[in-house]
Amino acid sequence: DGGITQSPKYLFRKEGQNVTLSCEQNLNHDAMYWYRQDPGQGLRLIYYSQIVNDFQKGDIAEGYSVSREKKESFPLTVTSAQKNPTAFYLCASGGWTDNSPLHFGNGTRLTVT
Amino acid sequence: ELKVEQNPLFLSMQEGKNYTIYCNYSTTSDRLYWYRQDPGKSLESLFVLLSNGAVKQEGRLMASLDTKARLSTLHITAAVHDLSATYFCAVDIKGAQKLVFGQGTRLTINP
Repeated sequence: DGGITQSPKYLFRKEGQNVTLSCEQNLNHDAMYWYRQDPGQGLRLIYYSQIVNDFQKGDIAEGYSVSREKKESFPLTVTSAQKNPTAFYLCASGGWTDNSPLHFGNGTRLTVT
Repeated sequence: ELKVEQNPLFLSMQEGKNYTIYCNYSTTSDRLYWYRQDPGKSLESLFVLLSNGAVKQEGRLMASLDTKARLSTLHITAAVHDLSATYFCAVDIKGAQKLVFGQGTRLTINP
């Protein structure tokens, strides 16, 4: 079955530590995205990548970094520079050429104390 | 900058009633999406609307798109408790291949 896998599901870190969230897809999609969701809020775009070895900042990129070395993988690093990292992080991928929607992973809930 | 606004943000209704959620967006777009999210879960795609006048229906949910008015509606007919969730609309920034989401409408359906 094709899909998007995010890991881990829950992540706990101390303030000042960098942490990397994993996102892997086997849908053969060119484009991948990271969104952040805070309680009771909508989704805000952190970074996106439309092709391997290229990515662009979204609306709230400060304190985050990404890489896109393989088509299947788009890991997100939450750095110590991110002031309020505790949130629900959702990874998505899309083909765009086939008019299908973005497909979302199951999310990673990050708690930083 | 594309802005997407939903209303209402919170909706509590009784089973059996009908209601409509509205999604307005600020700039030209070809595509509009509706998603459902259950508490603590990911987003599930409901509808993809690709052209002016598009209407799609699935069960008790029907979505429509008016690109001239920059408005989409999600209509719920004879609501049942299982439809309780948060509903998001999202709009594609034309040519940019990225979605901008509305704030979400938290729908609670009471028996």
